[in-house]
This record gives sequence, C-alpha cells and structure tokens, in this order.
Amino acid sequence: SQELEQSPQSLIVQEGKNLTINCTSSKTLYGLYWYKQKYGEGLIFLMMLQKGGEEKSHEKITAKLDEKKQQSSLHITASQPSHAGIYLCGAFTGTASKLTFGTGTRLQVTL
Amino acid sequence: DAGVTQSPTHLIKTRGQQVTLRCSPKSGHDTVSWYQQALGQGPQFIFQYYEEEERQRGNFPDRFSGHQFPNYSSELNVNALLLGDSALYLCASSLVSSGINTDTQYFGPGTRLTVL
Repeated sequence: SQELEQSPQSLIVQEGKNLTINCTSSKTLYGLYWYKQKYGEGLIFLMMLQKGGEEKSHEKITAKLDEKKQQSSLHITASQPSHAGIYLCGAFTGTASKLTFGTGTRLQVTL
Repeated sequence: DAGVTQSPTHLIKTRGQQVTLRCSPKSGHDTVSWYQQALGQGPQFIFQYYEEEERQRGNFPDRFSGHQFPNYSSELNVNALLLGDSALYLCASSLVSSGINTDTQYFGPGTRLTVL
C-alpha cells in the first residue's frame, strides 16, 4: 500500500520566516492534496496537485509536485501565527477513491 | 452554502457499548467517506459510501459499519467499543465524476469519541 512520509515532523519558526514541508510517496502519485488541521478539528483543504511540475499558490502558501521524485513540497512565505497548525498531505492510490495521508507536520509560529 | 457537518461533536462511551455518528455532506456532493484519526496520526480510511452502498473499505473490522441515506447523509456505527477506538472520526464528502471518485474531499469538523 502507498505510504506518505512527511518531513519535518514538527517545526517552530519565528513570525516572518519562510519554511518548507515535504511529502514523499513510496509509489506513483496520481494526485496530491494538502490539508491544514487545527488541533482536534477537521481538515481544511488547501490545494490539489495533479500533474508533474504543477505549482499552485494560495495567499502565502505555494505547493509543487515533482512526479519523478514522487514528492511534493509546501512552502510558506513570511509565516504568520495564523499559519500554525498541522499540515497533512494526502494522495489517492491509483483509481481507488480512498485518501492515504501522511502523519502530518506540526507547525508553530512564534512572535 | 453549508459545508460538511457532523454530530455529535464529542461523545464518551464505555467499553462494549455501541455508538452512532452522523454526517451531512456538502451541498451537491453524493459521496461520503469516513476516516479515523488517532492522536498524533494522519487520518485512516474506514469506508466510503456512494449510491447508498459501501464502495470501498479500509482495514477495519466488521464492528465498523455504515449507512448512506437517499439524501446522501451517512452514519457510522461502531459496535463492541474498545479503548483503542478512541479517536477523532472525520467525515468527508465529494462528488463522483466519470465513475471514479478522485475529486477533492471536503472534511467536516469531526466527532471526538472517548471510550472509557
């Protein structure tokens, strides 16, 4: 079964700093989703990447998909306290309609 | 436009009891998926319902069962609760296109189940 590994597991950054979270798949990626989760709450959809080389941005968050490396990266520019939370990557396993998730990256932003 | 809603928000049960969790999908969506998220872990897929039938199932025992109603809402039932069933249960809805559901799944706020 497909496994998604995220790095780092946790991250503490000072407000205004940039940061990158990585998600690496053990198998071919057919689509990669990024979600954000506040502790104990539901997942908020950030963006979806489907094609190799695709890059999407939403406000100060940019995500890229590298099909050859079977990897996606999420980059936050000029981090703010509102960016704090758990970032989860998820992917579909071929034509199966279930999402497999990584274990998440916990982000803290200090003032 | 209402998003995905779940009820209840919190629930406390004792071992051996049974529980029912409820989910209403986002307007226009016809597919509901259920996930279990243990503390510090990513969500794990339980099963998915489409056209009132279970389409796919993850590695969960038969104690976990579900149902989808004609209005697309869904229930998750867990029988003979174990301590290990304590988790956040998430419902996600999506829309099937071309018979294959790889469309974005939108999640509800979750139900926190504690088994004592």
